[in-house]
Amino acid sequence: DIQMTQSPSTLSASVGDRVTITCRASQSISTSLAWYQQKPGRAPKLLIDRASALGRGVPSRFSGSGSGTEFTLTISSLQPDDFATYYCQQYNRLWAFGQGTKVDIQ
Amino acid sequence: QVQLQESGPGLVQPSQTLSLTCTFSGDSITSGGYYWGWIRQPPGKGLEWIGYIYQSGYTEYNPSLKSRVTISIDTSKNQFSVELYSVTAADTAVYYCARAPTIFGVSTWGQGTLVTVSS
Repeated sequence: DIQMTQSPSTLSASVGDRVTITCRASQSISTSLAWYQQKPGRAPKLLIDRASALGRGVPSRFSGSGSGTEFTLTISSLQPDDFATYYCQQYNRLWAFGQGTKVDIQ
Repeated sequence: QVQLQESGPGLVQPSQTLSLTCTFSGDSITSGGYYWGWIRQPPGKGLEWIGYIYQSGYTEYNPSLKSRVTISIDTSKNQFSVELYSVTAADTAVYYCARAPTIFGVSTWGQGTLVTVSS
């Protein structure tokens, strides 16, 4: 099984901050990685696919990078709407999600 | 606009079978190139993949649940379903159905349905 590990689990930040979340895979997954944003009571929303491709309608302040086993999600300037929980997911072999990173207000 | 909608009982007795159906609208479930999946989220916790099915009936399951789960598809009704057997309180969660192109992430999600396992 491929395990996905996100860090940090919680991140406190302010509006305007640059935020980076890391996701590590237990074995190489090439670029078969997606990032999602989830707000309370809502289904997740696809932000980034194929490790770095911006999802439809997703603001350009979101970006993704990485390949193999290490990936990052970056928010260049945090906005009020971005306080949420973020998950990575690999789909190279079956599916598996990271445990999530909650971004809250500092 | 394509949509997914989960349906099924919100309360299931321990040791019984949890059964949910997802109805796809806006296109045909046989349009091809997609996995039709189930994902769950216990209250206050993260996302857990349950399994997925292809239109041909090919399935894959989370190894941790494989012995207790079956996913099926009914192309005539544009629906797919999940059955989880011998449930316990640990299976209480919001259950999401989802659609993903076979080489991409999940681009379409249902709204989710809460299933509580309790007597």
